[in-house]
Amino acid sequence: AQSVTQLDSQVPVFEEAPVELRCNYSSSVSVYLFWYVQYPNQGLQLLLKYLSGSTLVKGINGFEAEFNKSQTSFHLRKPSVHISDTAEYFCAALPSNDYKLSFGAGTTVTVRA
Amino acid sequence: DAGVIQSPRHEVTEMGQEVTLRCKPISGHDYLFWYRQTMMRGLELLIYFNNNVPIDDSGMPEDRFSAKMPNASFSTLKIQPSEPRDSAVYFCASSLQGWEKLFFGSGTQLSVL
Repeated sequence: AQSVTQLDSQVPVFEEAPVELRCNYSSSVSVYLFWYVQYPNQGLQLLLKYLSGSTLVKGINGFEAEFNKSQTSFHLRKPSVHISDTAEYFCAALPSNDYKLSFGAGTTVTVRA
Repeated sequence: DAGVIQSPRHEVTEMGQEVTLRCKPISGHDYLFWYRQTMMRGLELLIYFNNNVPIDDSGMPEDRFSAKMPNASFSTLKIQPSEPRDSAVYFCASSLQGWEKLFFGSGTQLSVL
């Protein structure tokens, strides 16, 4: 069994400030990890993914995430946010021996001017 | 490409009525997924298809729910009879690479009164 925990349900942040969204996973096997973003009234879009290789993954819109196996974490970061980054962000995990993608509960990011 | 297209965008119905949600995946994609999103349970996988064949429907809540994919360009999710607890946003997603990159539709907001 596996689970995905997003540690913050709401993250308010000022424009041009950095943001970090925390994600921890638990799994008995290796996992593939993803971050999706959901803008208001839209479906989810893939931001970035970690399958193997470099633990620092760069995605779209200036986001990046770092896979930390020892801490079972996959935190998402952006050094300077824009108003347009206001959205809900979902961390997801796919066990290497399974076919079901599990999503965390989501983190709502609200960027203020 | 127009992306994954879902209809209707919003559906309001009365308890006991039949509801049919529709999805057109991205052309050429061979996987199709139905998800349900609620505040209480987050994103839940209901069922997924590969090459029009249902692979795993273990997430379908009960016999009132059924899904079909008669061809590669169309899928339906039907609820009969509908109940207030079915109120949620239902997302359809498709992919070409299995679970590595899902493309989501904008969802159907279902309200059962």
